[in-house]
Amino acid sequence: QVQLVQSGAEVKKPGASVKVSCKASGYTFTSYHFNWVRQATGQGLEWMGWMNPSSGNTGYAQKFQGRVTMTRNTSINTAYMELSSLRSEDTAVYFCARGGPGNWDFDYWGQGTLVTVSS
Amino acid sequence: EIVLTQSPGTLSLSPGERATLSCRASQSVGSTYLAWYQQKPGQAPRLLIYGASTRATGIPDRFSGSGSGTDFTLTISRLEPEDFAVYYCQQYGETFGQGTKVEIK
Repeated sequence: QVQLVQSGAEVKKPGASVKVSCKASGYTFTSYHFNWVRQATGQGLEWMGWMNPSSGNTGYAQKFQGRVTMTRNTSINTAYMELSSLRSEDTAVYFCARGGPGNWDFDYWGQGTLVTVSS
Repeated sequence: EIVLTQSPGTLSLSPGERATLSCRASQSVGSTYLAWYQQKPGQAPRLLIYGASTRATGIPDRFSGSGSGTDFTLTISRLEPEDFAVYYCQQYGETFGQGTKVEIK
């Protein structure tokens, strides 16, 4: 069965960077786009960007341009999202999600990774 | 940037009742690009509807989606206890609405 398993919770200081991983199993890793979505406590969902794991091509939401980098390692079926210059407002749960059947939707999601930014 | 506005913010209903959730876009959105998700506390979102009206795999037929252009609707025909959750619409694989909470009355 399809599974996306994310790395564990992180605590970072303002100005630092965080790199979250998302290991895929149960399907051909390079056949579906990855997306990253975050959610601050009690808030809604915020899309951060997408990555084509076959080509490595990416597209980022304007809000995160210059601060986010999405990469992958196809040998271990793992996608990564790195966010730099962290500030307190980046405290949130970060989800990876696989591109779904309609191409513009996300059908499988990781369990989420809590990133806390605090001095 | 297209903004999605969901209404109402909270819907208080009883099990067995019908729920009608609205998602309005600031500009026309192709139906192909509109999806709906359900999220329960502490869980990742679950895809319910894609292409505005196609149920995702395993989604019960009490969930239905409709609409076009700037106005889209998610309908739950008869609420089951497990349907009380927050629902989000999304367009073009990017922007999400702010969510509608369906709570038990």
